[in-house]
Amino acid sequence: GQQLNQSPQSMFIQEGEDVSMNCTSSSIFNTWLWYKQDPGEGPVLLIALYKAGELTSNGRLTAQFGITRKDSFLNISASIPSDVGIYFCAGRGGSEKLVFGKGTKLTVNP
Amino acid sequence: GAVVSQHPSRVICKSGTSVKIECRSLDFQATTMFWYRQFPKQSLMLMATSNEGSKATYEQGVEKDKFLINHASLTLSTLTVTSAHPEDSSFYICSSLKGKETQYFGPGTRLLVL
Repeated sequence: GQQLNQSPQSMFIQEGEDVSMNCTSSSIFNTWLWYKQDPGEGPVLLIALYKAGELTSNGRLTAQFGITRKDSFLNISASIPSDVGIYFCAGRGGSEKLVFGKGTKLTVNP
Repeated sequence: GAVVSQHPSRVICKSGTSVKIECRSLDFQATTMFWYRQFPKQSLMLMATSNEGSKATYEQGVEKDKFLINHASLTLSTLTVTSAHPEDSSFYICSSLKGKETQYFGPGTRLLVL
């Protein structure tokens, strides 16, 4: 079946630094979604990407749908303490179901 | 964004009892909703796809007679964990599909079976 490799697994950064994480797939996806999950909460949608090559921003967040349709990255600029959490990528192939990465745990030191 | 609610947010029950979790799509109609399970420090695991007006589609290894899903309206899906056991303790999260592309998640339900 389809698998997503998300990296890094965890990151420890200083407030103000930029962050980058990415996901790669063994097969082509039609949609890439990036979510953030806080402890004890459901995932919150950050950015949705629907076309290969698409670059989309949401405030300090920027994500791109790779041209090969097998990868996506998420950048966070000028990190702040509230950016702490677990970030998940998710891809949709030929069905409505999503395949999730294993998450990137972000820690921001003030 | 979109708003999806879940009720209850947390529940503690005795082993052998059944627990019903509700998932509501508050600001759009959802023909398709999904139920996930998440263990600590792990990613989301899809349990089943809930389709309005028809039977749910379960993922491999998920017992349909244990996890009953009902999607009786375009805004409500329910998951009933029947004869719950301690190993069913987990974080259950639903999502609603908007259009054909984007899933919006509920806040989750923490289930603890004693």
